[in-house]
Amino acid sequence: DQQVKQNSPSLSVQEGRISILNCDYTNSMFDYFLWYKKYPAEGPTFLISISSIKDKNEDGRFTVFLNKSAKHLSLHIVPSQPGDSAVYFCAASEYQGAQKLVFGQGTRLTINP
Amino acid sequence: DAGITQSPRHKVTETGTPVTLRCHQTENHRYMYWYRQDPGHGLRLIHYSYGVKDTDKGEVSDGYSVSRSKTEDFLLTLESATSSQTSVYFCANGQSGNTIYFGEGSWLTVV
Repeated sequence: DQQVKQNSPSLSVQEGRISILNCDYTNSMFDYFLWYKKYPAEGPTFLISISSIKDKNEDGRFTVFLNKSAKHLSLHIVPSQPGDSAVYFCAASEYQGAQKLVFGQGTRLTINP
Repeated sequence: DAGITQSPRHKVTETGTPVTLRCHQTENHRYMYWYRQDPGHGLRLIHYSYGVKDTDKGEVSDGYSVSRSKTEDFLLTLESATSSQTSVYFCANGQSGNTIYFGEGSWLTVV
């Protein structure tokens, strides 16, 4: 049973426009959510996170939105740049101690010049 | 920065042989993790550690064992490798309540 789902395997966006990546979860006990970015042949790198007590967190060009009632989170990248082309994983965890993250399948984002 | 070094980075091994992957951290973080990444599955937790000699199972622990005899080292062992364990393995570390950070990965092929 996939507790964290990213239903779009791929997304293509023009440079300078907004990229919106979506993620749904089923476990109502999740209280911490993260986005990671992954380039080929490298490890995932942390991008941004949000606690369940918030509905928005912003860091430069990246904003994460959390809709707890819909069990949905999204990552907005604006403006999109060619270096943003990568696979993006959303992740969630129940505990603030050992962060046993549950990951979605990933979305491959391609930014076109 | 995770301060993580994984070794080996690439390995090809035969079915039925034991394999050990090593994760070394320089950050002295309490928590360490082993994940595997497979197409269509994202990253899945194999085992994690919450201190020296303290480990617990993750989502896909069958066929794997771990050991943590020092804060800085977390070993993942495949006792008898199978083709289904061909994957990319990522070690990660973190402190309580904070984000976890990943190493560069170890590519394992079981033939």
